[in-house]
Parts: sequence; structure tokens; C-alpha cells
Amino acid sequence: AQSVTQPDIHITVSEGASLELRCNYSYGATPYLFWYVQSPGQGLQLLLKYFSGDTLVQGIKGFEAEFKRSQSSFNLRKPSVHWSDAAEYFCAVNSGGGADGLTFGKGTHLIIQP
Amino acid sequence: SAVISQKPSRDICQRGTSLTIQCQVDSQVTMMFWYRQQPGQSLTLIATANQGSEATYESGFVIDKFPISRPNLTFSTLTVSNMSPEDSSIYLCSVEPGQGADTQYFGPGTRLTVL
Repeated sequence: AQSVTQPDIHITVSEGASLELRCNYSYGATPYLFWYVQSPGQGLQLLLKYFSGDTLVQGIKGFEAEFKRSQSSFNLRKPSVHWSDAAEYFCAVNSGGGADGLTFGKGTHLIIQP
Repeated sequence: SAVISQKPSRDICQRGTSLTIQCQVDSQVTMMFWYRQQPGQSLTLIATANQGSEATYESGFVIDKFPISRPNLTFSTLTVSNMSPEDSSIYLCSVEPGQGADTQYFGPGTRLTVL
């Protein structure tokens, strides 16, 4: 069975500082990987996704993520965070093909200090 | 992507009653999914709803508790039956637009509180 681990429950970052959120997955084949963001009281917004090809993917809002097969990781990064980035971030995986539901990590709560 | 709406956005219900949540999409989609997000928790897939076939439920979720309808390619409902306080959660629908998108887009969610 596939699984996703986000080891950091909470992360606090100063505004303007860089950010890295960790995600490790367990999956028997080539995974389809996603990062979603959930702002308070909102649904989930897709930040970026990786299916194949270039292992560094760019997303919206200045986020990027790097797929590392050897480490089973898909970490999310942003060079300079803004106060509006405060939210819950979820890493997710599925098998691709459009027919499977997503398996989510437990999420990382990002706090931005002024 | 797709524009997805859900009704109601929130509700407070009494124990033992049922609530039907609606999910409407602005385009025709084959795959729709229903998820539950319990307070402070991550999202868990309840079921997959394809038009023209019975919904497929994940382990731990049963049709009698969470009946799903999918009458056409733009609409689905999830009913939470015989509710208890443990059903207090956010319920989200998502769609996979097809045409090779392989990506799910989520509705805003329905926040349910059961007293």
C-alpha cells in the first residue's frame, strides 16, 4: 500500500526566509506526486505536481519541488516566504491514470513570523 | 482545471439525522471523489464515484453510512447517514478532469458539525 510521510507537523519561518517542507513516499511503482495547500477555511489548491521528466518542477506562488527517487522524497521549497503563505501543506501520491484517489500525508502547518 | 462548488458550505446537525452534500462541476468529468477531513487531520478517501456505475468505497467506509449518487457527469451527492459526533468533519469532493490531466481539483468543502 502506498503511504506518504510529512515528518514536520509544524514549521515556523520568518517572513522573507527560505522554506523547505519535507515529504517522503512509499510506493511500489513510479508515483504521481502532488503538493496541495489549504488556507484556513478553504478547500485544497494544487501547488504543483510531478509525473515524469525533469525532477525539478515549478508551481504556482513561487513554489518548486524536487523529486528524488533514491530518497523517495518530494520536498517543497520556496526561496522567500510571504505572510500569505501561512497555511496547511499536504503532500499526496497516487498511481496516475486519473482513476485512483489520492493518499495524503498528515500535513505540515506553516507559521510565518513577522 | 475545473470550478467546483459544494452545498451546503457548513451545517450543524443533530445526532441520528442525515445530511446530503452536493457537488457541482462546471464541466463534464468522468471521475469524482469524496474525501473526509476530520478535525486537525489529513484527508482520507471515502469513495470514487463514476457516472453510470456504483461508487467504489475504501476500506472502513460503507454504502449504508455514506450513500453516493452520480446521476450525470457534472453532479454528485454524498449523504452522511445516521450521524454521530464522530462524523463531524470537512467533506470534500474532487474531480479528475480527464483528457490526460491525471490531477484532482477540489471543491471548497462542507464543514459538518454533529451535536
